[in-house]
Amino acid sequence: SQKIEQNSEALNIQEGKTATLTCNYTNYSPAYLQWYRQDPGRGPVFLLLIRENEKEKRKERLKVTFDTTLKQSLFHITASQPADSATYLCALGDGATNKLIFGTGTLLAVQP
Amino acid sequence: NAGVMQNPRHLVRRRGQEARLRCSPMKGHSHVYWYRQLPEEGLKFMVYLQKENIIDESGMPKERFSAEFPKEGPSILRIQQVVRGDSAAYFCASSVDRANYEQYFGPGTRLTVT
Repeated sequence: SQKIEQNSEALNIQEGKTATLTCNYTNYSPAYLQWYRQDPGRGPVFLLLIRENEKEKRKERLKVTFDTTLKQSLFHITASQPADSATYLCALGDGATNKLIFGTGTLLAVQP
Repeated sequence: NAGVMQNPRHLVRRRGQEARLRCSPMKGHSHVYWYRQLPEEGLKFMVYLQKENIIDESGMPKERFSAEFPKEGPSILRIQQVVRGDSAAYFCASSVDRANYEQYFGPGTRLTVT
Protein backbone atom coordinates (compact mmCIF):
# COMPACT_ATOMS: atom_id res chain seq x y z
CA SER A 1 0.00 0.00 0.00
CA GLN A 2 1.01 3.64 -0.40
CA LYS A 3 3.33 4.88 2.30
CA ILE A 4 4.72 8.32 3.06
CA GLU A 5 7.49 8.77 5.61
CA GLN A 6 8.71 11.99 7.12
CA ASN A 7 11.45 12.49 9.72
CA SER A 8 9.84 10.74 12.67
CA GLU A 9 11.97 12.55 15.20
CA ALA A 10 11.53 16.23 15.96
CA LEU A 11 14.11 18.44 14.32
CA ASN A 12 15.89 20.96 16.55
CA ILE A 13 18.06 23.60 14.93
CA GLN A 14 19.64 26.89 15.84
CA GLU A 15 18.22 30.17 14.58
CA GLY A 16 19.86 31.26 11.34
CA LYS A 17 20.68 27.73 10.18
CA THR A 18 19.02 25.87 7.32
CA ALA A 19 16.38 23.31 8.25
CA THR A 20 16.05 20.33 5.91
CA LEU A 21 13.00 18.08 6.14
CA THR A 22 12.61 14.82 4.25
CA CYS A 23 9.60 13.16 2.67
CA ASN A 24 9.99 9.64 1.23
CA TYR A 25 7.25 7.65 -0.41
CA THR A 26 6.71 4.13 -1.74
CA ASN A 27 4.15 2.36 -3.92
CA TYR A 28 2.99 5.61 -5.44
CA SER A 29 3.58 7.77 -8.51
CA PRO A 30 2.43 11.24 -7.59
CA ALA A 31 1.70 13.88 -10.18
CA TYR A 32 2.62 16.53 -7.62
CA LEU A 33 3.71 17.03 -4.06
CA GLN A 34 2.72 19.76 -1.63
CA TRP A 35 4.18 21.03 1.63
CA TYR A 36 2.06 22.46 4.40
CA ARG A 37 2.72 24.03 7.77
CA GLN A 38 0.48 23.20 10.73
CA ASP A 39 0.50 24.94 14.10
CA PRO A 40 -1.13 23.33 17.17
CA GLY A 41 -4.91 23.56 17.06
CA ARG A 42 -4.96 25.06 13.58
CA GLY A 43 -5.53 23.93 10.02
CA PRO A 44 -2.67 23.22 7.59
CA VAL A 45 -1.37 26.23 5.68
CA PHE A 46 -0.33 25.70 2.06
CA LEU A 47 3.33 26.53 1.39
CA LEU A 48 4.53 25.11 -1.93
CA LEU A 49 3.49 22.74 -4.70
CA ILE A 50 5.95 20.98 -6.99
CA ARG A 51 4.97 18.88 -10.00
CA GLU A 52 6.52 15.59 -11.12
CA ASN A 53 8.32 17.27 -14.03
CA GLU A 54 9.89 19.94 -11.80
CA LYS A 55 13.14 19.40 -9.95
CA GLU A 56 13.13 22.39 -7.68
CA LYS A 57 10.91 25.25 -6.57
CA ARG A 58 11.61 28.29 -4.41
CA LYS A 59 9.54 30.81 -2.52
CA GLU A 60 11.31 33.40 -0.39
CA ARG A 61 13.27 31.38 2.24
CA LEU A 62 11.69 28.08 1.21
CA LYS A 63 13.02 25.57 -1.30
CA VAL A 64 11.57 22.23 -2.33
CA THR A 65 13.18 19.52 -4.42
CA PHE A 66 11.44 16.53 -5.96
CA ASP A 67 13.29 13.42 -7.12
CA THR A 68 10.87 10.91 -8.67
CA THR A 69 13.67 8.37 -9.12
CA LEU A 70 14.57 8.38 -5.43
CA LYS A 71 10.89 8.91 -4.54
CA GLN A 72 11.88 11.72 -2.26
CA SER A 73 11.24 15.39 -1.62
CA LEU A 74 13.41 17.68 0.47
CA PHE A 75 12.07 20.85 2.05
CA HIS A 76 14.54 23.54 3.08
CA ILE A 77 14.02 26.63 5.21
CA THR A 78 17.03 28.93 5.03
CA ALA A 79 17.91 31.51 7.68
CA SER A 80 15.45 29.81 10.03
CA GLN A 81 13.66 31.81 12.71
CA PRO A 82 11.89 30.76 15.93
CA ALA A 83 8.62 31.71 14.18
CA ASP A 84 9.26 28.85 11.74
CA SER A 85 8.71 26.36 14.59
CA ALA A 86 5.74 24.19 13.61
CA THR A 87 4.85 20.79 12.17
CA TYR A 88 5.51 20.49 8.45
CA LEU A 89 3.40 18.10 6.39
CA CYS A 90 4.20 16.52 3.07
CA ALA A 91 1.23 15.55 0.85
CA LEU A 92 1.08 13.68 -2.45
CA GLY A 93 -1.55 13.97 -5.15
CA ASP A 94 -2.19 11.84 -8.23
CA GLY A 95 -3.78 14.55 -10.33
CA ALA A 96 -6.78 12.37 -11.12
CA THR A 97 -8.99 12.68 -8.09
CA ASN A 98 -7.18 15.56 -6.34
CA LYS A 99 -7.26 13.78 -3.00
CA LEU A 100 -4.10 14.31 -0.99
CA ILE A 101 -2.25 11.60 0.91
CA PHE A 102 -0.46 13.12 3.89
CA GLY A 103 2.62 12.12 5.83
CA THR A 104 2.47 12.31 9.62
CA GLY A 105 4.60 15.43 9.67
CA THR A 106 7.89 16.59 11.13
CA LEU A 107 7.98 18.85 14.17
CA LEU A 108 10.56 21.60 13.68
CA ALA A 109 11.83 23.60 16.64
CA VAL A 110 14.08 26.58 15.94
CA GLN A 111 16.00 27.67 19.01
CA PRO A 112 16.84 31.37 19.44
CA ASN B 1 -10.49 37.91 1.35
CA ALA B 2 -11.99 35.44 3.78
CA GLY B 3 -10.36 32.06 3.83
CA VAL B 4 -12.09 28.73 4.24
CA MET B 5 -14.57 28.95 7.08
CA GLN B 6 -15.70 26.11 9.25
CA ASN B 7 -18.22 25.99 12.03
CA PRO B 8 -18.59 25.16 14.71
CA ARG B 9 -14.96 25.20 15.81
CA HIS B 10 -15.72 22.84 18.68
CA LEU B 11 -18.59 20.39 18.91
CA VAL B 12 -19.45 18.07 21.76
CA ARG B 13 -21.92 15.27 21.16
CA ARG B 14 -23.09 12.33 23.24
CA ARG B 15 -22.88 8.85 21.77
CA GLY B 16 -25.79 8.24 19.45
CA GLN B 17 -26.38 11.89 18.55
CA GLU B 18 -25.85 13.47 15.16
CA ALA B 19 -23.01 15.84 14.29
CA ARG B 20 -23.22 18.39 11.47
CA LEU B 21 -20.08 20.15 10.38
CA ARG B 22 -20.19 23.09 7.99
CA CYS B 23 -17.65 24.41 5.54
CA SER B 24 -17.74 27.51 3.36
CA PRO B 25 -14.99 27.48 0.72
CA MET B 26 -12.83 30.42 -0.19
CA LYS B 27 -14.45 32.94 -2.50
CA GLY B 28 -14.17 31.77 -6.08
CA HIS B 29 -13.52 28.15 -5.10
CA SER B 30 -16.01 25.53 -6.24
CA HIS B 31 -14.31 22.35 -5.02
CA VAL B 32 -14.36 21.14 -1.43
CA TYR B 33 -12.48 18.36 0.35
CA TRP B 34 -12.99 16.90 3.81
CA TYR B 35 -10.16 15.34 5.84
CA ARG B 36 -10.07 13.81 9.31
CA GLN B 37 -7.17 13.98 11.73
CA LEU B 38 -7.27 11.50 14.58
CA PRO B 39 -5.11 12.14 17.66
CA GLU B 40 -1.44 11.32 16.92
CA GLU B 41 -2.28 10.43 13.31
CA GLY B 42 -1.94 12.18 9.99
CA LEU B 43 -4.67 13.77 7.93
CA LYS B 44 -6.82 11.24 6.09
CA PHE B 45 -8.85 12.07 3.02
CA MET B 46 -12.59 11.49 3.33
CA VAL B 47 -14.49 13.00 0.42
CA TYR B 48 -14.14 15.40 -2.52
CA LEU B 49 -17.16 17.39 -3.70
CA GLN B 50 -18.08 19.88 -6.33
CA LYS B 51 -21.34 21.83 -6.24
CA GLU B 52 -24.15 19.24 -6.19
CA ASN B 53 -21.70 16.42 -7.04
CA ILE B 54 -19.63 13.92 -5.10
CA ILE B 55 -16.43 13.41 -7.08
CA ASP B 56 -14.62 10.93 -4.81
CA GLU B 57 -15.89 9.43 -1.56
CA SER B 58 -13.34 6.64 -1.32
CA GLY B 59 -12.25 7.75 2.17
CA MET B 60 -15.70 7.92 3.72
CA PRO B 61 -16.74 5.20 6.18
CA LYS B 62 -19.52 3.15 4.60
CA GLU B 63 -22.04 3.82 7.32
CA ARG B 64 -23.19 6.85 9.33
CA PHE B 65 -21.15 9.39 7.33
CA SER B 66 -22.47 11.52 4.49
CA ALA B 67 -21.46 14.75 2.78
CA GLU B 68 -23.09 17.25 0.50
CA PHE B 69 -22.27 20.50 -1.22
CA PRO B 70 -25.54 22.06 -2.38
CA LYS B 71 -25.92 24.65 -5.08
CA GLU B 72 -26.46 27.29 -2.41
CA GLY B 73 -24.90 27.29 1.02
CA PRO B 74 -21.99 25.55 2.71
CA SER B 75 -20.79 22.00 2.39
CA ILE B 76 -22.05 19.76 5.19
CA LEU B 77 -20.37 16.70 6.67
CA ARG B 78 -22.93 14.73 8.61
CA ILE B 79 -22.16 11.97 11.11
CA GLN B 80 -25.13 10.03 12.41
CA GLN B 81 -25.18 8.07 15.67
CA VAL B 82 -21.71 9.23 16.69
CA VAL B 83 -19.39 6.91 18.59
CA ARG B 84 -16.30 7.70 20.69
CA GLY B 85 -14.04 6.73 17.79
CA ASP B 86 -15.44 9.62 15.75
CA SER B 87 -13.71 12.09 18.08
CA ALA B 88 -11.21 13.90 15.88
CA ALA B 89 -10.43 17.15 14.12
CA TYR B 90 -12.30 17.49 10.83
CA PHE B 91 -10.77 19.80 8.26
CA CYS B 92 -12.28 21.19 5.13
CA ALA B 93 -10.18 22.43 2.22
CA SER B 94 -11.11 24.12 -1.03
CA SER B 95 -9.56 24.64 -4.43
CA VAL B 96 -10.40 26.84 -7.40
CA ASP B 97 -11.21 23.95 -9.71
CA ARG B 98 -10.14 20.44 -10.57
CA ALA B 99 -7.00 21.47 -12.45
CA ASN B 100 -5.71 23.67 -9.64
CA TYR B 101 -4.18 21.30 -7.16
CA GLU B 102 -3.46 23.76 -4.34
CA GLN B 103 -5.81 23.14 -1.46
CA TYR B 104 -6.50 25.75 1.21
CA PHE B 105 -7.62 24.52 4.59
CA GLY B 106 -10.01 25.86 7.16
CA PRO B 107 -9.34 25.98 10.92
CA GLY B 108 -11.11 22.68 11.52
CA THR B 109 -13.93 21.45 13.72
CA ARG B 110 -12.90 19.53 16.80
CA LEU B 111 -15.53 16.90 17.53
CA THR B 112 -15.61 15.32 20.96
CA VAL B 113 -17.97 12.41 21.59
CA THR B 114 -18.73 11.76 25.24
